[in-house]
Amino acid sequence: DGGITQSPKYLFRKEGQNVTLSCEQNLNHDAMYWYRQDPGQGLRLIYYSQIVNDFQKGDIAEGYSVSREKKESFPLTVTSAQKNPTAFYLCASSISAGNYGYTFGSGTRLTVV
Amino acid sequence: DAKTTQPTSMDCAEGRAANLPCNHSTISGNEYVYWYRQIHSQGPQYIIHGLKNNETNEMASLIITEDRKSSTLILPHATLRDTAVYYCIVRVLTSGSARQLTFGSGTQLTVLP
Repeated sequence: DGGITQSPKYLFRKEGQNVTLSCEQNLNHDAMYWYRQDPGQGLRLIYYSQIVNDFQKGDIAEGYSVSREKKESFPLTVTSAQKNPTAFYLCASSISAGNYGYTFGSGTRLTVV
Repeated sequence: DAKTTQPTSMDCAEGRAANLPCNHSTISGNEYVYWYRQIHSQGPQYIIHGLKNNETNEMASLIITEDRKSSTLILPHATLRDTAVYYCIVRVLTSGSARQLTFGSGTQLTVLP
């Protein structure tokens, strides 16, 4: 079955360490997205990519970096510059940018201690 | 994009219809209404979208008022598994657009046994 896989489901890191969250899709979707969700809050867009080798900053890109070398993969790196990295991170994809029928992964819960 | 207003929370008895309202009084003629839901600690799930006609699929029905200033998502026979946060989002449907989905706080629907 097609879908989006995020791994790992839970991740613990020490403060000051960079960490990379994986997102893989086999839906043949062009566009991919990363969102952050804090407890009791809505989703905030970190980065998005409309096509391979291209990506754009979202609303809260500071302290994060991404790459899109393959259509299937859109990894997110949480750097030590991110002041409050502990959060629930969600990856999504859509057939194309501007198509809002998103498919989401099951998320990665990152805890920085 | 038009702003949406949803109640913070709602309860519904199991087996009854759940009617979730959304106000979007500043909606423009080319903006669609999208509904997603998020079960606790999972990624959001697309439910349905519409422009001006009522829409129905296997999950829900979407009723949009004639003036398009409000809409209602209807889950015809709510089950305990429908307990989730429901997001109403208004967006222009374009191709290659750099404008992405924004998720607010939504409505917490609790289905009671």
